[in-house]
Amino acid sequence: NAGVTQTPKFRILKIGQSMTLQCAQDMNHNYMYWYRQDPGMGLKLIYYSVGAGITDKGEVPNGYNVSRSTTEDFPLRLELAAPSQTSVYFCASSSGVGDGYTFGSGTRLTVV
Amino acid sequence: RKEVEQDPGPFNVPEGATVAFNCTYSNSASQSFFWYRQDCRKEPKLLMSVYSSGNEDGRFTAQLNRASQYISLLIRDSKLSDSATYLCVVNNAGNMLTFGGGTRLMVKP
Repeated sequence: NAGVTQTPKFRILKIGQSMTLQCAQDMNHNYMYWYRQDPGMGLKLIYYSVGAGITDKGEVPNGYNVSRSTTEDFPLRLELAAPSQTSVYFCASSSGVGDGYTFGSGTRLTVV
Repeated sequence: RKEVEQDPGPFNVPEGATVAFNCTYSNSASQSFFWYRQDCRKEPKLLMSVYSSGNEDGRFTAQLNRASQYISLLIRDSKLSDSATYLCVVNNAGNMLTFGGGTRLMVKP
């Protein structure tokens, strides 16, 4: 199994540009999450989804949007990129909290 | 008070040493507990779940003290390859996991 796949792995954006970070999982997990991790810091939850068609805000949702049209995919949209959004973005999925999360390998985003 | 608190370290230990990490959590209703490992510039990976009775996986032992809201991870016979950041993780509400800031371990020859 591929697990959780994130694309792209790296991206440089100019201030004001937009982009979509892709996340796909092949484990039929209902729960999916987007986190960001700044250098030397912990994980902060951006958005999460408990199933197709259902999304909710996490701790730091401003400047981001998500959609969940299928169980497999959970893209994260950045509108009007700002330098403060320079970070590593991790997508994760879970079948239930008792099983923990499986993470993708991350997307390193730099906004200049 | 942070929901999940860890000593950030770094813990610098020689190969073969035993090292212990501690973690406290604030929500007494938490039901699921984990230790994750994160290597530099990599994603977090599940190291082990933590059960009330304590559990062991090779050189790694995890303990949970619900009364004190305290979780520990013991690593015996440290290897160079154990160098990483160890994240204490607790379910805080529903299906959400809350991650501690991590404890950095550096094992030296």
